[in-house]
Amino acid sequence: AQSVTQPDIHITVSEGASLELRCNYSYGATPYLFWYVQSPGQGLQLLLKYFSGDTLVQGIKGFEAEFKRSQSSFNLRKPSVHWSDAAEYFCAVGGMYSGGGADGLTFGKGTHLIIQP
Amino acid sequence: GAGVSQSPSNKVTEKGKDVELRCDPISGHTALYWYRQSLGQGLEFLIYFQGNSAPDKSGLPSDRFSAERTGGSVSTLTIQRTQQEDSAVYLCASSLDSGGRGYTFGSGTRLTVV
Repeated sequence: AQSVTQPDIHITVSEGASLELRCNYSYGATPYLFWYVQSPGQGLQLLLKYFSGDTLVQGIKGFEAEFKRSQSSFNLRKPSVHWSDAAEYFCAVGGMYSGGGADGLTFGKGTHLIIQP
Repeated sequence: GAGVSQSPSNKVTEKGKDVELRCDPISGHTALYWYRQSLGQGLEFLIYFQGNSAPDKSGLPSDRFSAERTGGSVSTLTIQRTQQEDSAVYLCASSLDSGGRGYTFGSGTRLTVV
């Protein structure tokens, strides 16, 4: 069965500092990988996604993520965070064959990002 | 529409009552998904529609939960005889197809069972 682990429940970062949110996945085939962000009271917004090709993917709001197959990881990074980045971040995995369709996506429990002034 | 619309945004109901949650997907999106987000469980996949059909309903938590989609558009998630453990945010998402290449989520319905 597929699973996603986000080891950090909370992360606190100073404004302007760099950020890395960790994500490890377990999936039996080639994964589709996603990062979503959720602000309070809002739905989930797609930040970026990986299907194939270049393992470093660029997303919206200055985020990027790197797929490392050997480590089963898909960590999210941002060089310099802004106060508006404070939110909940979710990593998710879907399948090349299920395509996230019939089985849906499997989400991690999320990482709560706090920005210090 | 421009985005995925869910209604109501908040619902408070008494234990034992039935509730209906509505999702209006992005126009032209053939795939529609329901998820439940609760504090202890994170995001839990409930059901997926391709057009009007749901190939697999095994993700629904119990037989008190049902979902339908009509006209390949609006979907309704119904919870009968609500229980306190049903309290959660119910999120709907839609995508152009079932290829799983990332969906668009609605803002959710926050259900509170008292």
